[in-house]
Amino acid sequence: DAKTTQPTSMDCAEGRAANLPCNHSTISGNEYVYWYRQIHSQGPQYIIHGLKNNETNEMASLIITEDRKSSTLILPHATLRDTAVYYCIVRVSWEWGGTSYGKLTFGQGTILTVHP
Amino acid sequence: GAVVSQHPSWVICKSGTSVKIECRSLDFQATTMFWYRQFPKQSLMLMATSNEGSKATYEQGVEKDKFLINHASLTLSTLTVTSAHPEDSSFYICSAESTGGPTSGNTIYFGEGSWLTVV
Repeated sequence: DAKTTQPTSMDCAEGRAANLPCNHSTISGNEYVYWYRQIHSQGPQYIIHGLKNNETNEMASLIITEDRKSSTLILPHATLRDTAVYYCIVRVSWEWGGTSYGKLTFGQGTILTVHP
Repeated sequence: GAVVSQHPSWVICKSGTSVKIECRSLDFQATTMFWYRQFPKQSLMLMATSNEGSKATYEQGVEKDKFLINHASLTLSTLTVTSAHPEDSSFYICSAESTGGPTSGNTIYFGEGSWLTVV
């Protein structure tokens, strides 16, 4: 699976949009971009994933560049509860037969701190 | 989103004993489950991948005889730490893969984690 590069930490004011960048310049054509976050002492929480189109759900938006070498996770209105470590991961997600053996490998992620 | 449940949330055991951690996918069937461990202030480290009905695939450096993984059904995988030692104390997290499709992709959901303390 391709590696990703994320800033070590970021700050964001409460109520503002948090834009978390991720570089994945060696991504393969069949690899998806996944975003997870982990709040202290809890299991990671799935946020969103995409292949090449921009995606939006109730939690966030994912913007993937046309060449797929980078992406941005957007939390439109950050709250104090969004303070967490955010992980960007690329992974082969689906293979014929519905079973995937692609690993979900975690890097160090970005520590996002939302302040009042 | 889909729910993955782990049990117990925390456990304390004596050195030399074995402890079992269960991981259940509550509202979907998971042919593939993953087990991770995490030490304080570190990222998650993948230990093994388990597929229903077959032997688990362990990552390099993970002792398969010490960390026994069983994936007997599409909704349950177990991790047994055998002959536990204080250095096995860690946060163990399981995850389960929910099948999407060629256009949407699969999604992996994580359990709440299990804190193991070996004394």
